[in-house]
Amino acid sequence: KQEVTQIPAALSVPEGENLVLNCSFTDSAIYNLQWFRQDPGKGLTSLLLIQSSQREQTSGRLNASLDKSSGRSTLYIAASQPGDSATYLCAGAGNSGNTPLVFGKGTRLSVIA
Amino acid sequence: DAGVTQSPTHLIKTRGQHVTLRCSPISGHKSVSWYQQVLGQGPQFIFQYYEKEERGRGNFPDRFSARQFPNYSSELNVNALLLGDSALYLCASSYLGTYEAFFGQGTRLTVV
Repeated sequence: KQEVTQIPAALSVPEGENLVLNCSFTDSAIYNLQWFRQDPGKGLTSLLLIQSSQREQTSGRLNASLDKSSGRSTLYIAASQPGDSATYLCAGAGNSGNTPLVFGKGTRLSVIA
Repeated sequence: DAGVTQSPTHLIKTRGQHVTLRCSPISGHKSVSWYQQVLGQGPQFIFQYYEKEERGRGNFPDRFSARQFPNYSSELNVNALLLGDSALYLCASSYLGTYEAFFGQGTRLTVV
């Protein structure tokens, strides 16, 4: 059974700092890995999808990497801004892309101006 | 293009009642999944439907049921509501091929 862990649970940084959020999973038979952002009381916004054959994806100030052998993914946020404050969730899909996502509990990020 | 839409956005129900939540996927997406998110936790998988057939079910009691319609919209039904069913219910749609999941804004269900 796939389990996803996110460390740290909460993080507070000053504006402008670069930061890394970590995600680990127990089953390396992961098909793809998706990072989401969630604002309080809202739905999930997809940030990056790393598909089976890929090792990383980039979108603007965000970069996500996936290392299946070590069971880890990282989300790198460059030059953080107060608007980046939110909960970040990672989720993995099993050995077929059309399988349910298994989520971590998220990392709550606060960027202080 | 419209994203995933869910209705209603908020709902208050009494214990023992029944509730129906609705979801319209992104145009062209044939797969719809439902998730439950309680405060402070990550979403937990409830159901997945593809081409109107149930393709997966999470560890939820039989009080939870769902269906998908010919236009690929979906309903989640919960009978005999318990206080513990209070949560944010999320619907996601995806396109077969990329498997990238897109979520709606959720329905906040409060059971009193």
